[in-house]
Amino acid sequence: NAGVTQTPKFRVLKTGQSMTLLCAQDMNHEYMYWYRQDPGMGLRLIHYSVGEGTTAKGEVPDGYNVSRLKKQNFLLGLESAAPSQTSVYFCASSYSFSARETQYFGPGTRLLVL
Amino acid sequence: AQKVTQAQTEISVVEKEDVTLDCVYETRDTTYYLFWYKQPPSGELVFLIRRNSFDEQNEISGRYSWNFQKSTSSFNFTITASQVVDSAVYFCALSENSGNTPLVFGKGTRLSVIA
Repeated sequence: NAGVTQTPKFRVLKTGQSMTLLCAQDMNHEYMYWYRQDPGMGLRLIHYSVGEGTTAKGEVPDGYNVSRLKKQNFLLGLESAAPSQTSVYFCASSYSFSARETQYFGPGTRLLVL
Repeated sequence: AQKVTQAQTEISVVEKEDVTLDCVYETRDTTYYLFWYKQPPSGELVFLIRRNSFDEQNEISGRYSWNFQKSTSSFNFTITASQVVDSAVYFCALSENSGNTPLVFGKGTRLSVIA
C-alpha cells in the first residue's frame, strides 16, 4: 500500500514552460485535492475532485488546470509557468467529502520556476 | 467563513521541556472538525489527530495531548518532555460541515527542539 504518491519530486521550469504533476492513490478514495504550500502561508487549496471526471476550483485556482480521468489519478497542469508558481505542491485524498474525513497527503513536489 | 489562526510562527525549546502550540479557529457551523498535522524536515504531512465539535474531551496519545475548548474556539496541542524528533512544522486545520473549502489550514508553527 503506497498511499498517495506524487511525480516528480522536484522540477525546475523556465517561465512560460508547461508541465503536469501526477498524483496517484491506491486507497480507492473518491476525493482528491491539490494544494500549494508557500513560506508563511500554510497550505492553500488549488483544485479538488469529488470523483472520476469531475473537478472543482479551490481557493487559488488561477494558472492551473486539473483532470481526473481515472479514479486513482489526479493531474495538475501548468500551461504557462510563472515565477509566482514556485512552490511545494501537495496532493491529498480522502474517502469522502464529509467534513469528518481525514485527508492523506503525498510527499510533495517542489517546483522552481525561473 | 472558516479561519484558523496559529499565532506562534516559531517556537524554540530545550529538550525535555513541555511546549504548547496554540490554535484558534473561527466558524459559524455547529458541526465541524479540527485536525493537527505534522510536517517534519523531510517535508511530508503526517496526520496526528481529528476532533469533532461535539467532543470536548481532552485527548492524550503518549507525549502528545490536545485541549479542545469551544468556549474560546481553541484546539491547542501540547508536547510533554519534548524530543529533538519533535522538531517540525505543525499545522492546525478546520473542516466545516457546510463549508465550500474542504479543509482550511493555519499558517503553521515551526517547533525547534534543541538538544
